[in-house]
Amino acid sequence: GENVEQHPSTLSVQEGDSAVIKCTYSDSASNYFPWYKQELGKGPQLIIDIRSNVGEKKDQRIAVTLNKTAKHFSLHITETQPEDSAVYFCAANLGAAGNKLTFGGGTRVLVKP
Amino acid sequence: DSGVTQTPKHLITATGQRVTLRCSPRSGDLSVYWYQQSLDQGLQFLIQYYNGEERAKGNILERFSAQQFPDLHSELNLSSLELGDSALYFCASSPSPGPPYEQYFGPGTRLTVT
Repeated sequence: GENVEQHPSTLSVQEGDSAVIKCTYSDSASNYFPWYKQELGKGPQLIIDIRSNVGEKKDQRIAVTLNKTAKHFSLHITETQPEDSAVYFCAANLGAAGNKLTFGGGTRVLVKP
Repeated sequence: DSGVTQTPKHLITATGQRVTLRCSPRSGDLSVYWYQQSLDQGLQFLIQYYNGEERAKGNILERFSAQQFPDLHSELNLSSLELGDSALYFCASSPSPGPPYEQYFGPGTRLTVT
């Protein structure tokens, strides 16, 4: 089955700096890669996603890049703010037609003011 | 607010008991997914339903079962509960099972087994 590795497990950045989280996946048939943000006591919130026919996608301060050959994708947050502090999860779908998501282990991001 | 609702928010019960968790998908979504989030296993896919039919299974124990009703709400039944079943249980929904659509998560049910 699909295996998704996520690094780092914790990330501390100064407000205004950039944060980068990296994930690798194992199933070459995966074609959908969402990122979720989870705040304490809440459910995962979809913040951005990318499909395998696209190499990069941006939405304001967040961007995701995908390298299908290397089977890795990354989340970039620029100009970090204290409200960006949360746990971030990457995920990949299982198989080209499937919608089951396999999640990475999560990255706890702390933005220091 | 994702539009996915889950009840109850918290549940405390004893080992050996049975509980039912409820989920209502976003308006218009036909597919429902259940996930378990625990400290040692992370977020794990349990089961998926589409328009009342089971669509895919993940790491769901035999003691657990689910169903989706004609009004599209779903219930996850956990029986013969063990201490290790203590976790957050999330429901997510999407318009259809595929091609891959965005999944929106509910606020979760925190289950504590004592």
